[in-house]
Amino acid sequence: KQEVTQIPAALSVPEGENLVLNCSFTDSAIYNLQWFRQDPGKGLTSLLLIQSSQREQTSGRLNASLDKSSGRSTLYIAASQPGDSATYLCAVKLDGNKLVFGAGTILRVKS
Amino acid sequence: ETGVTQSPTHLIKTRGQQVTLRCSSQSGHNTVSWYQQALGQGPQFIFQYYREEENGRGNFPPRFSGLQFPNYSSELNVNALELDDSALYLCASSFHGVNTGELFFGEGSRLTVL
Repeated sequence: KQEVTQIPAALSVPEGENLVLNCSFTDSAIYNLQWFRQDPGKGLTSLLLIQSSQREQTSGRLNASLDKSSGRSTLYIAASQPGDSATYLCAVKLDGNKLVFGAGTILRVKS
Repeated sequence: ETGVTQSPTHLIKTRGQQVTLRCSSQSGHNTVSWYQQALGQGPQFIFQYYREEENGRGNFPPRFSGLQFPNYSSELNVNALELDDSALYLCASSFHGVNTGELFFGEGSRLTVL
């Protein structure tokens, strides 16, 4: 059974700091991995999608890496801003279009 | 291109009642998945619909059921509501057969069971 773990559960940093969020999964048989952002009480906004054959993806200040063999992904946020405060979720895609999510990392960026 | 839309955004029910949640998929997508997100947890896969049939189900009891319509929109029905059904219900759309494809989520329906 696929399990996804995110560390840390919560993170508080001062504005401007670079930070790394971690995601690990137990079964390497995945099609891709997606990082999402969720604001309180809202839906999921897709940030980055990494296919299983890729090593990293970048979008603006965000960079996500994937090491499928070791079951790890990281989301790097450069020069953090208060507007980055949200919950960040990673999810791996299995056969049949099913996503398995981690519990998320709650990020607070202090101004 | 229209995104995934869900209704209602919030609703309150009492234990034992039934609820129907609705979802319109993103333009061009033919598959709809439903997820349940309890407070402080990641979303859990409920089931998926393709060609108006259930096409994959997570660990949820039969009182969770769904429909998909010819225009690819979908409903999630929950019978005999329990307190633990209180959650954010998320709908996602995608294109069937593209395992490498991306899922796009709606804003969710917040259900409170009293």
